[in-house]
Amino acid sequence: GAVVSQHPSWVICKSGTSVKIECRSLDFQATTMFWYRQFPKQSLMLMATSNEGSKATYEQGVEKDKFLINHASLTLSTLTVTSAHPEDSSFYICSAKSPGTSPLHFGNGTRLTVT
Amino acid sequence: AQSVTQLGSHVSVSEGALVLLRCNYSSSVPPYLFWYVQYPNQGLQLLLKYTTGATLVKGINGFEAEFKKSETSFHLTKPSAHMSDAAEYFCAVTPGVGNDMRFGAGTRLTVKP
Repeated sequence: GAVVSQHPSWVICKSGTSVKIECRSLDFQATTMFWYRQFPKQSLMLMATSNEGSKATYEQGVEKDKFLINHASLTLSTLTVTSAHPEDSSFYICSAKSPGTSPLHFGNGTRLTVT
Repeated sequence: AQSVTQLGSHVSVSEGALVLLRCNYSSSVPPYLFWYVQYPNQGLQLLLKYTTGATLVKGINGFEAEFKKSETSFHLTKPSAHMSDAAEYFCAVTPGVGNDMRFGAGTRLTVKP
């Protein structure tokens, strides 16, 4: 079945630094990818929709200058958390849609800890 | 707009007992409905989905769910719980192909020996 790879699986960074998370569709081309954030014991909250070759669409309340999304190819989307702060610590999950079908295929998530 | 409500943030059953996780949806258009399972520190794995056609859908690991339009429900069931079923379960809805997915708050399933 369709596979989505997310890297890294966990990262620890210092406050003020930037962190890049990659999301790759391994066996299909994904024109659209989605980025979610999940706090402990809570559900997934959609942050943004990443469209190949165009600007991402951010959900209300998500700072686009803080969470930079780039979808430069049909198999890769990246999320960069800029000037990270401890409150950005969370579990970030990407998903990708294979053409013409549902559902979404999810990566295994990235646990970000900002110290 | 689409939304999902999962009744019960925590469900506890004994091993071998029936599992019932409740999900109600709200959608202005015919919905596509999904159940996902999440193990600690992992992404989401699809259990089953309803798009069109048969309203009783069977998924992996012995789970099934029934789409009931009149009740706007999509409850997840399994006849006999296994210890390995302990996880977080999410119900989700999209308005159709190609659109983003909205998740319920999740239900944590605990299985007692």
